[in-house]
Amino acid sequence: QVQLQESGPGLVKPSETLSLTCSVSGGSISNYDWSWVRQPPGKGLEFIGYMSNGGSTAYSPSLKSRVTMSVDTSKNQFSLNLTSVTAADTAFYYCARLYYGSGLHYFDYWGQGTLVTVSS
Amino acid sequence: DIQMTQSPSSLSASVGDRVTITCRASQSIGNYLNWYQQKPGKAPNLLIYAASSLQSGVPSRFSGSGSGTDFTLTIGSLQPEDFATYYCQQSYSHPRSFGGGTKVEIK
Repeated sequence: QVQLQESGPGLVKPSETLSLTCSVSGGSISNYDWSWVRQPPGKGLEFIGYMSNGGSTAYSPSLKSRVTMSVDTSKNQFSLNLTSVTAADTAFYYCARLYYGSGLHYFDYWGQGTLVTVSS
Repeated sequence: DIQMTQSPSSLSASVGDRVTITCRASQSIGNYLNWYQQKPGKAPNLLIYAASSLQSGVPSRFSGSGSGTDFTLTIGSLQPEDFATYYCQQSYSHPRSFGGGTKVEIK
């Protein structure tokens, strides 16, 4: 059974960089696409971006200038960096596996989520 | 970008009721539409992919239909464990986008 676990600081200061890691167990990270989704407390889901198993990326236009995603296959981990954060970036951050097959693309496994608060 | 609009944003229903949630895309997305269920404090869980395909392990009372711009998620007979928030999501183009959610509450 595939399991995902987010880790990283729960508190980040304004203007600094938010860095999160998603550790994947129960399967290789190499054969799939991986994504980050966030959810401000009490609000809806927002797609941040994804990285394909080929290394290409696609980021939300609203976040593109501040987002970087990477994969470390040796550690079976997937990472998110979001620079110049503000209070508007306070949210639960989820990593998720994006299944891709037969032209279909959907989030089939999710981490439990981690709350990141931006505050001084 | 494709905008996804769900309606209603919330609804109250009783156990045993038939519940229908709609999702409309701002342009045609074929059948590239997925549905997720999210319970409080939990991650979303995939229910339906490709508009009408039931994810493994999901009860058969859940069904999806539609294509193009208009889609529906139906819960055939609402169970106590179905009280949650439901989201549609398009996978036709980037950025992948979600609807605003429909919260299903106990009447």
